[in-house]
Parts: sequence; structure tokens; C-alpha cells
Amino acid sequence: GAGVSQSPSNKVTEKGKDVELRCDPISGHTALYWYRQRLGQGLEFLIYFQGNSAPDKSGLPSDRFSAERTGESVSTLTIQRTQQEDSAVYLCASSFAGGRMNTEAFFGQGTRLTVV
Amino acid sequence: KNQVEQSPQSLIILEGKNCTLQCNYTVSPFSNLRWYKQDTGRGPVSLTIMTFSENTKSNGRYTATLDADTKQSSLHITASQLSDSASYICVVSANSGYSTLTFGKGTMLLVSP
Repeated sequence: GAGVSQSPSNKVTEKGKDVELRCDPISGHTALYWYRQRLGQGLEFLIYFQGNSAPDKSGLPSDRFSAERTGESVSTLTIQRTQQEDSAVYLCASSFAGGRMNTEAFFGQGTRLTVV
Repeated sequence: KNQVEQSPQSLIILEGKNCTLQCNYTVSPFSNLRWYKQDTGRGPVSLTIMTFSENTKSNGRYTATLDADTKQSSLHITASQLSDSASYICVVSANSGYSTLTFGKGTMLLVSP
């Protein structure tokens, strides 16, 4: 696609429910990043994919959070048993990650998650 | 571990004034550094890129500097406008076979009329 696409754009869920957030990166981008941004706060790193593998998942806050990427394209971030503190905007970014290729990260518009 | 630290965390200035945002990094091996602007409710967008050999680069009223020896970068905004109100994020790329990006937490700038 022309840009990074995230869905849904907004999600309201009840505490304790599971949610799945989706990111479609720019075609050909091998690197994919998930970030969380609470209201008025900076970006909080969650996980980084290089292709289908995740060399760095150190930012996942608990075992309720997991992410996968298949076919070097779509990635899903799953939050199980959601808590109110999970409420935030979840941003996805993708970039080329090979040698001297342009490493500019392109961001999606984010998924605004509200846990009530 | 690769890290990017930005300061100040937030800043309020009057319209028309200048300001400078700072970025310190410990990223190796360094490839390049980008400044991004994130408007409220939007994803960040790249403003400028600095490579190892570049000391300064301008994009309109935005001027970025890089000191690769001290591992510091700054973003200077001249004659600020209300539309400059945003979060400014410093992102450093490392390249050890493939590139990885390390993001700062950003500086939130509010330009007041």
C-alpha cells in the first residue's frame, strides 16, 4: 500500500477482554516497530520485527502482550485480559532495514485503545 | 544497549520566539539520525536526516545539528509559529548488517500566542 495502515483506528473494550491490533506496513519494508503512547507522553517501545522474527521484544510490558508477524508483512499485536492502564495509542512504524537503504520510519495513524 | 535521550521533556514558548531541542544518543554503530514531528493525533513524520559527515542541515525554519564526536544533536526552530506545536522525536539508526532504529521519547513543544 501507499503507507502504513493500522486497524482499527479506535477500539473501546471492556476490562478483561482480549484485543487484537493490526498493522499493514509499506510493501518491501522488512523492519516493523510497535510503540505505545499514553496521553501526553512520549513513545514507549514495545517490540521490533526484522522480517518475521523479533530480535527485540524487551518493551512488552507483561506476558499479556504478544505480537507476531507473518509473511514479512502484516503484524498483529494482541493484548489479553486488558486492563485500564493499557489505554493508549498504539503506533506501528515500518522501514527498510538493509545496508544503505533509506531507513526512514513511516508511521501509521495509530489505534486508540480505550479500556473501560 | 542503544539509547536516545531528549531534553527538555516539554517546552512552552511564545509565538515568534526561537527554541532549541536536544538529543543525546549512545547508539553503535551509528548510521544516521532523524528528527520527526508528531502533530496531535497523528503519526510522526520525518523532518530531516543527518548522516555521520553532516554537521548542520536546514529545512525551512528548522535547523538540525550533529556532533558525532559527542553524540549530540539539536533541532533549532526559528521564529516559531502556532503550527510548530507538536512532539519532536529524535531517532537514531544503527547499522550492523541491517539497520535498527532507536527512538527518543520526544520533546513536547507548545507555542503560545
